[in-house]
Amino acid sequence: ETGVTQTPRHLVMGMTNKKSLKCEQHLGHNAMYWYKQSAKKPLELMFVYSLEERVENNSVPSRFSPECPNSSHLFLHLHTLQPEDSALYLCASSHRNTGELFFGEGSRLTVL
Amino acid sequence: AQKVTQAQTEISVVEKEDVTLDCVYETRDTTYYLFWYKQPPSGELVFLIRRNSFDEQNEISGRYSWNFQKSTSSFNFTITASQVVDSAVYFCALSEAQTDSWGKLQFGAGTQVVVTP
Repeated sequence: ETGVTQTPRHLVMGMTNKKSLKCEQHLGHNAMYWYKQSAKKPLELMFVYSLEERVENNSVPSRFSPECPNSSHLFLHLHTLQPEDSALYLCASSHRNTGELFFGEGSRLTVL
Repeated sequence: AQKVTQAQTEISVVEKEDVTLDCVYETRDTTYYLFWYKQPPSGELVFLIRRNSFDEQNEISGRYSWNFQKSTSSFNFTITASQVVDSAVYFCALSEAQTDSWGKLQFGAGTQVVVTP
């Protein structure tokens, strides 16, 4: 199994849909992250979970709702998104006190 | 505020040429960490190196080398004898050195490296 697995890899949704992105890590890490990668913009940190507790919410609109039920799983629930939310959403994990992030391959989201 | 600038949007080289990627950063912190990540076409970012602000020694790992110059706030990355498999987007990143801050990275815009046979 790969270290960090994200599903689905591709998602197309309308603005009124509700969907979720899933991330699973098999590395025994205790911190997980959501990053957003838009075209022609640097990667942006969205959320950080450390020991299953949200420790960072980087001014992300409420239409993005993260959930971390345990140290191995991280979700990003999507609701009433806008076309400008179309991007590659990358999940990462790390040991809490190290700087080395292990990334998944991302979920490519298109909002119509 | 922290900022990372990668001025080169794209670099194209022929196989076996060397390529140097520039990274300039801004931070008010006295201790911090610098990173390089590689993003191949498959999408996942791959960790290449972490350097703390106290360690200005250059580092070499195989065909990769890094030049950290604190005086000029630069952390440049060189690929020697490039190969087609090096084609990817390379990101420089910066984080605070405080506990629990290490995963909160400020990324540069990335440099696309294209290596042709």
